Amino acid sequence: DGGITQSPKYLFRKEGQNVTLSCEQNLNHDAMYWYRQDPGQGLRLIYYSQIVNDFQKGDIAEGYSVSREKKESFPLTVTSAQKNPTAFYLCASSFGQGATYEQYFGPGTRLTVT
Amino acid sequence: LAKTTQPISMDSYEGQEVNITCSHNNIATNDYITWYQQFPSQGPRFIIQGYKTKVTNEVASLFIPADRKSSTLSLPRVSLSDTAVYYCLVGDNYGGATNKLIFGTGTLLAVQP
Repeated sequence: DGGITQSPKYLFRKEGQNVTLSCEQNLNHDAMYWYRQDPGQGLRLIYYSQIVNDFQKGDIAEGYSVSREKKESFPLTVTSAQKNPTAFYLCASSFGQGATYEQYFGPGTRLTVT
Repeated sequence: LAKTTQPISMDSYEGQEVNITCSHNNIATNDYITWYQQFPSQGPRFIIQGYKTKVTNEVASLFIPADRKSSTLSLPRVSLSDTAVYYCLVGDNYGGATNKLIFGTGTLLAVQP
């Protein structure tokens, strides 16, 4: 059953701790993305990767880091440097990079930092 | 840099046709326009995509004028289950090696009985 998965669905952390969000896809997609969504707001791009071992900053990369060691996986680390980390995080993948390619989204991870 | 603008919200009744417009003033010449639907606490899902003129699939139509600076998503005969947020996605030709992806501000469609 092909798709894109994110885990966990809900995550709670104390301020000052780094936390890593998982994103896995078995769609054989080259491109993967991380978005952040705040209540009542649209999607903002954090990082994207067009190919293994390569990734680019999006609009709001400060305080976040990523890796792309495998085609299937694109984990996002929310570091303690991120000022307001509480948000809904969405991972997506597509065959290629650009609006032309349909993005398949995961179910999201809701991160709460207190 | 491109700015994509959508109405914040729209109200409709079941059975009516709904048109949602997205304005995108600096769209990349080689990128398609894509629309997504999002329900609360879920990831967005693809609705329809087009490059120019009109595209129709089983759930929606997409109208794109010749200058491609806007697009209109048309939902025929909406039902209560169409209540969701709708986003347009375009690529911005900002001069980089790849187009920058820009999601619209999103339109909350509320369908009433």
